[in-house]
Amino acid sequence: DTGVSQNPRHKITKRGQNVTFRCDPISEHNRLYWYRQTLGQGPEFLTYFQNEAQLEKSRLLSDRFSAERPKGSFSTLEIQRTEQGDSAMYLCASSLASVDVGLSEFSQYFGPGTRLLVL
Amino acid sequence: GEDVEQSLFLSVREGDSSVINCTYTDSSSTYLYWYKQEPGAGLQLLTYIFSNMDMKQDQRLTVLLNKKDKHLSLRIADTQTGDSAIYFCALGGGYQKVTFGIGTKLQVIP
Repeated sequence: DTGVSQNPRHKITKRGQNVTFRCDPISEHNRLYWYRQTLGQGPEFLTYFQNEAQLEKSRLLSDRFSAERPKGSFSTLEIQRTEQGDSAMYLCASSLASVDVGLSEFSQYFGPGTRLLVL
Repeated sequence: GEDVEQSLFLSVREGDSSVINCTYTDSSSTYLYWYKQEPGAGLQLLTYIFSNMDMKQDQRLTVLLNKKDKHLSLRIADTQTGDSAIYFCALGGGYQKVTFGIGTKLQVIP
């Protein structure tokens, strides 16, 4: 399977604990995005990377959240001191940003998500 | 910021056409997308339309864009039970983040 993969698929943690999620994008994609989706809502943008550079962060990304993409391939999203309000589906997407590709490749392709429940 | 609005629910009979509507506020978006999400699954890109197009057809899917009214629609012909899902309208500028609507839940009645 050459799509976007995310691990773990589910995570249950106690309030105050730290959690880390991993995303592996489509191999040739240089852009990687994190979104958060709460029940009954559409996904909300958190942050994105081009290669290893983090280019934009949403105001939703509080100081307890940190994302990295150290080698420009996989990415991790860490939440420190989790709160019950952090319970959500965390979605990763990737795309290919290049002047040489066709228009269709601007599209973002999503992974299955990591569902976080904070007790 | 961008506001994207969709109705919450649509129910159709199997074999009929479904039309899911979306309105938005910011006209600077370059790409307009439709994503499908089935229960417990991630988002599947169904189709997209570039902002300088009025219509795009892809098999059973037809996307219409009315830039004057800032209105986007997705028509699914011959709707099947497997089309039951939540459909998200989304807008983006190509490389940047995508802004999603709240999603329309499509129920197909056999």
